[in-house]
Amino acid sequence: ETGVTQSPTHLIKTRGQQVTLRCSSQSGHNTVSWYQQALGQGPQFIFQYYREEENGRGNFPPRFSGLQFPNYSSELNVNALELDDSALYLCASSLYGPYEQYFGPGTRLTVT
Amino acid sequence: ELKVEQNPLFLSMQEGKNYTIYCNYSTTSDRLYWYRQDPGKSLESLFVLLSNGAVKQEGRLMASLDTKARLSTLHITAAVHDLSATYFCAVSVPNTGNQFYFGTGTSLTVIP
Repeated sequence: ETGVTQSPTHLIKTRGQQVTLRCSSQSGHNTVSWYQQALGQGPQFIFQYYREEENGRGNFPPRFSGLQFPNYSSELNVNALELDDSALYLCASSLYGPYEQYFGPGTRLTVT
Repeated sequence: ELKVEQNPLFLSMQEGKNYTIYCNYSTTSDRLYWYRQDPGKSLESLFVLLSNGAVKQEGRLMASLDTKARLSTLHITAAVHDLSATYFCAVSVPNTGNQFYFGTGTSLTVIP
C-alpha cells in the first residue's frame, strides 16, 4: 500500500506567476483535501475533491482552484501568486465521509 | 465562523514532568484528531477520537474528548526529549464530507 505523495517538494515562484501542485492519494482512497500551512500556523482548509468535483471550500479566493482525476489524484492550481501564498501546501487523502485523513509530505512554495 | 483554539501555544517542560494541552472548538462535532508535526515535516496522526468520552493512550500520550464541553485534552506523562514537536488538534465538521479544521498548534519543547 503506497502512501500519499506530493510533487514537487520545493518550488520558488515570482509574484504574479501561476503554479500547479500535484498529489497522489493513498491506494483505495477516493477523496483528496488540500490545506495551506503558513509558517507558525495550523493548516487551513482550502478545498476538498470527491468524484472529480469540489466538495467544500474554505475561505480562499477563486484564484485557488483544483482538479481531481479518475484515478483520484489531484492538482492544486494557484494563479496570480502573491507573497502571502508562501506556505507549505499539504494534501490529504481519505475515504469519503467521517474517516481519518492521511497527509502527504507537502510542497514548500516560496513566492518572491 | 468555526474556531479551534489550543492552549498553551508554547510549552517548555523538563523531562519527567507531566502536562496537558487543551483544545477547544466552537462547533458541534463528535470527531477529533490529534497530529504531531516535526519541523519542516508533514503531519503524523496520533489519535482519532470518535465519540463523547473517548480516551486513547499511546506510550506517554493520552487523549480524551468531551463533546458536550467541546473540549479535547492531550496529556503528556513523564515527558522525554523525543516528544518535542508541534501538536495540532483538528475537528471534523459534520455534513461537509469530513473537512478538517485545525487548531493553532502547541509547540512543545522538552528540556533534558
